Order: sequence, then C-alpha cells, then structure tokens
Amino acid sequence: DSGVTQTPKHLITATGQRVTLRCSPRSGDLSVYWYQQSLDQGLQFLIQYYNGEERAKGNILERFSAQQFPDLHSELNLSSLELGDSALYFCASSVEPRGTEAFFGQGTRLTVV
Amino acid sequence: GNSVTQMEGPVTLSEEAFLTINCTYTATGYPSLFWYVQYPGEGLQLLLKATKADDKGSNKGFEATYRKETTSFHLEKGSVQVSDSAVYFCALRSAGFQKLVFGTGTRLLVSP
Repeated sequence: DSGVTQTPKHLITATGQRVTLRCSPRSGDLSVYWYQQSLDQGLQFLIQYYNGEERAKGNILERFSAQQFPDLHSELNLSSLELGDSALYFCASSVEPRGTEAFFGQGTRLTVV
Repeated sequence: GNSVTQMEGPVTLSEEAFLTINCTYTATGYPSLFWYVQYPGEGLQLLLKATKADDKGSNKGFEATYRKETTSFHLEKGSVQVSDSAVYFCALRSAGFQKLVFGTGTRLLVSP
C-alpha cells in the first residue's frame, strides 16, 4: 500500500458527460501529480500541484482541469468526455515539488461508452 | 525533449532464468532514473532508482546501473520468479523538472 488513495476505482460514463476523480496523497506529501495511462499514448503526465498551487502542466486537454484543496487532496475534472478519454488515471504524491520518489495510487479506470 | 526507450515486450522467461530489460534515455543535463513495476490490477510501485552516473539501484534482487556514457539504465535480475510477472516501466526526471517521463513499459511473463 503506497498510502495514496484514489476514488473511485472504476467509472463508466457516457460521451459528453463530466466526471470527477479524487486523490488523497500520502500523509505529509504536499505535491500531487496526475498521469493518464492509455494503450496508444502510454503513461503521460497531465498536471502537478504543490501545496494548493499549480506547479507544472503536461499534456492536459482544455476539457480537463484539476485542483488541490487546503487539506491537500486533489480532484481531476474531466468534461465533455469522448471515447478516447477512456484510460487509467493515476495520482502520485511526493513530499517536495521535485521529490525524487513519487508514490502512486492504484488508479481510476475510466470507461467512456 | 526528454524521452525513454524500452525494449518491446512481452519478455517470456522460465522461472530462475536471467532477466535483462533494456532502457535508454535522451535528456538534457543529469536526470534521475527510475524503474517502476505495475502488477496486474495495481498501481505503479517504485522498484529502484539512481540519481547520478555510475550509481547502482537495487531492490528485491533487481539491479540497474546508471550509465551516462551509453545513456542506459538496463534492469537485470539473476533469477526470476513467477511472482515477478508484471509490466516494468523505465522513467526519468530531469533536474529542474517535476514530471516523470516514462517509457512504454515492458511486460514480463515468467512461467513455472
């Protein structure tokens, strides 16, 4: 158990809908990262937050947004969903913004039908 | 830009065989290098890491040496077990950047 908790584990939704994925980092970790794992793109970095502020942005679509709350949990919001958004979404956390070790959650598997 | 290239899988071995999974990278500066493992239905777990040239990361019988001259970080294990069956990801983090850049992953299948 990495200490990073993601909910829900599975999500099935229709095209055009909006979903929210939730991540609770390890106790004491201030930095949260979101990654998308899909068959065609592999593991892609989406976005990072550190202590409530956006720190780095990767290949995140404009339809996607994220935030980190004062209690340090983070949410990834995906809207106007398309079939191609079906993927495994991972959250990871680390103590520092450039922590050499990031701990990953078990992921949320999103299926868009 | 930064990138990681791993050997295509699946790699199929018998129990107690020697394992090598190749990983090469392209990066500016001096990145930190990692191997992550993903067991079926689970998230990514850090297997080992190396933060500077000639460092050797090791864990659970797995080893990898940071070779700057060949820009490589090959994963090795002397004797694999069925329980090692998983997908292995090589990754790097460049100095000054927060994100991890992953390779495409290599699936390892170990049969009894």
